[in-house]
Amino acid sequence: QKEVEQDPGPLSVPEGAIVSLNCTYSNSAFQYFMWYRQYSRKGPELLMYTYSSGNKEDGRFTAQVDKSSKYISLFIRDSQPSDSATYLCAMSAGNTPLVFGKGTRLSVIA
Amino acid sequence: GAVVSQHPSWVICKSGTSVKIECRSLDFQATTMFWYRQFPKQSLMLMATSNEGSKATYEQGVEKDKFLINHASLTLSTLTVTSAHPEDSSFYICSARVGAGEGYTFGSGTRLTVV
Repeated sequence: QKEVEQDPGPLSVPEGAIVSLNCTYSNSAFQYFMWYRQYSRKGPELLMYTYSSGNKEDGRFTAQVDKSSKYISLFIRDSQPSDSATYLCAMSAGNTPLVFGKGTRLSVIA
Repeated sequence: GAVVSQHPSWVICKSGTSVKIECRSLDFQATTMFWYRQFPKQSLMLMATSNEGSKATYEQGVEKDKFLINHASLTLSTLTVTSAHPEDSSFYICSARVGAGEGYTFGSGTRLTVV
């Protein structure tokens, strides 16, 4: 079992839809959870950062962490074509390298 | 927010030559810098972790003599691809943790093409 599992997609949704992206993990030591957005040929851009379990909201984005289930989610409300990108979940146990999911390719169709 | 500036954004070089990639933390001190490699449509693969003032720690399978990492200051880390070959063509990205309670920020990446 890989440390972090993420469905690579591709995921295609109509503009305005709610998008749900998920990752599962196996290492119970992970405490820091992040979601990154990566456009083609660009470096990853941090969207959401969460410590331990709980929810965090920022504009159209909501991140959820359920440590008991080892499951994290990112919700995008009112999706826009500009949200089309690859979304990477990443996690860390502390000041250690991030462990990434494979990334989910999202296309939002106008 | 915290920014890591990475240069060059793209480079083409001939086989056998060396290429240096720089990452600078602009408004914070990066004690640790992580270097990643990414192939098309794949996730990031950690190559090495560099700590300011000490030798880098390389991941298994990464040739430390080919990928030279220097982290001489708290704001600058460099990756030099020595004697580059076409199979070294890839997207290289650096990353640093901004601080306690913060996420990790990434450089904009360097696309290396070896011809």
